[in-house]
Amino acid sequence: AQKVTQAQTEISVVEKEDVTLDCVYETRDTTYYLFWYKQPPSGELVFLIRRNSFDEQNEISGRYSWNFQKSTSSFNFTITASQVVDSAVYFCALRTGGTSYGKLTFGQGTILTVHP
Amino acid sequence: EPEVTQTPSHQVTQMGQEVILRCVPISNHLYFYWYRQILGQKVEFLVSFYNNEISEKSEIFDDQFSVERPDGSNFTLKIRSTKLEDSAMYFCASIDRLGLASTDTQYFGPGTRLTVL
Repeated sequence: AQKVTQAQTEISVVEKEDVTLDCVYETRDTTYYLFWYKQPPSGELVFLIRRNSFDEQNEISGRYSWNFQKSTSSFNFTITASQVVDSAVYFCALRTGGTSYGKLTFGQGTILTVHP
Repeated sequence: EPEVTQTPSHQVTQMGQEVILRCVPISNHLYFYWYRQILGQKVEFLVSFYNNEISEKSEIFDDQFSVERPDGSNFTLKIRSTKLEDSAMYFCASIDRLGLASTDTQYFGPGTRLTVL
């Protein structure tokens, strides 16, 4: 069985601060995929990034960066110089490469509030 | 850019009534999904659908739920006799294929908020 843990329920920062959202996953599969989705107050789920288990390169996209560490089963997400528009719920999700037919297992989500 | 669409955006129903939530996945996609999110909680997998049949379902997806792809474009979730605890946001998602391709990502629709009174 797979599991995703986002230990931080809520994080509150002031604009321009850097913030890191933690994600720890569990799976016995050797091939798997990790995702981050953003859920703004309007409610939709916005895809941010996908990482394959065989690709441990960290990625940077503008103010966003992701740190994938297989050794600690973590896939953390950092927002640099946070902005009010970053306020949302962020979900980490896992998909295994076996016969799961693409099912995503989500973490509990982290509510990020960025104050002006 | 193609997107997944869902209708209605909000559905209010009385307990015991049947509801049908509709989704139009991205046109060349082959795998379809329904997820549920109870207010303030995490997103939970309900069911996956491929090649005109259910490929996987969760414990939540009991006999009260059914899915259908009636006409090659729509993908529907039916709840036969709604309960109060079915109140949630329901998300549809689709993916073109599973594997290592760069497009191998589930894109979600905007959701249907179901309120059962």
